[in-house]
Amino acid sequence: GAVVSQHPSRVICKSGTSVKIECRSLDFQATTMFWYRQFPKKSLMLMATSNEGSKATYEQGVEKDKFLINHASLTLSTLTVTSAHPEDSSFYICSARVPVGYGYTFGSGTRLTVV
Amino acid sequence: QKEVEQNSGPLSVPEGAIASLNCTYSDRGSQSFFWYRQYSGKSPELIMFIYSNGDKEDGRFTAQLNKASQYVSLLIRDSQPSDSATYLCAVETSGSRLTFGEGTQLTVNP
Repeated sequence: GAVVSQHPSRVICKSGTSVKIECRSLDFQATTMFWYRQFPKKSLMLMATSNEGSKATYEQGVEKDKFLINHASLTLSTLTVTSAHPEDSSFYICSARVPVGYGYTFGSGTRLTVV
Repeated sequence: QKEVEQNSGPLSVPEGAIASLNCTYSDRGSQSFFWYRQYSGKSPELIMFIYSNGDKEDGRFTAQLNKASQYVSLLIRDSQPSDSATYLCAVETSGSRLTFGEGTQLTVNP
């Protein structure tokens, strides 16, 4: 089936540093990748939609200069959290529409802790 | 009004019972509806999707959709302790994007 590989699964960084999260579609081409953030005991909130070869579309209230998204190829999308602060600590998950049938497949998620 | 609302829970059922999870949505133009299961610390995994009015069964799971009432539900028959998780209702809105409900935490007691 359609698999999205997400790395790293867990990262701890110091305040002020940047962190890059990668999502790769392993056996299909993902022209669109969705990036979500999830706080403890809360639901997934869509942050942005990335499209291969074009600028990402950010949801209202999401700082595009802080959360840099690059979708340079049909199999790779990256999210870079720039100048991270403790309030950016969260669970970040990418997702892509499956190429056959219905539904969306999710990466395994990245637990970011900013200290 | 939230775009997607789920019964708040938490929901606790004994092993072997039927668990009923409910979801309502506000966008009448929504076409596809999904139920995801999320274990603590893990990403969501697809349980079922439905896009036609009526019932759709897959093993112990039955999804029900009523577009007139803007209501979708998930029934889990013969609930098992391994079903204990948070269940997320997701609605595909215009632009092929998913909007999630807050989730319902289900506990199945042995």
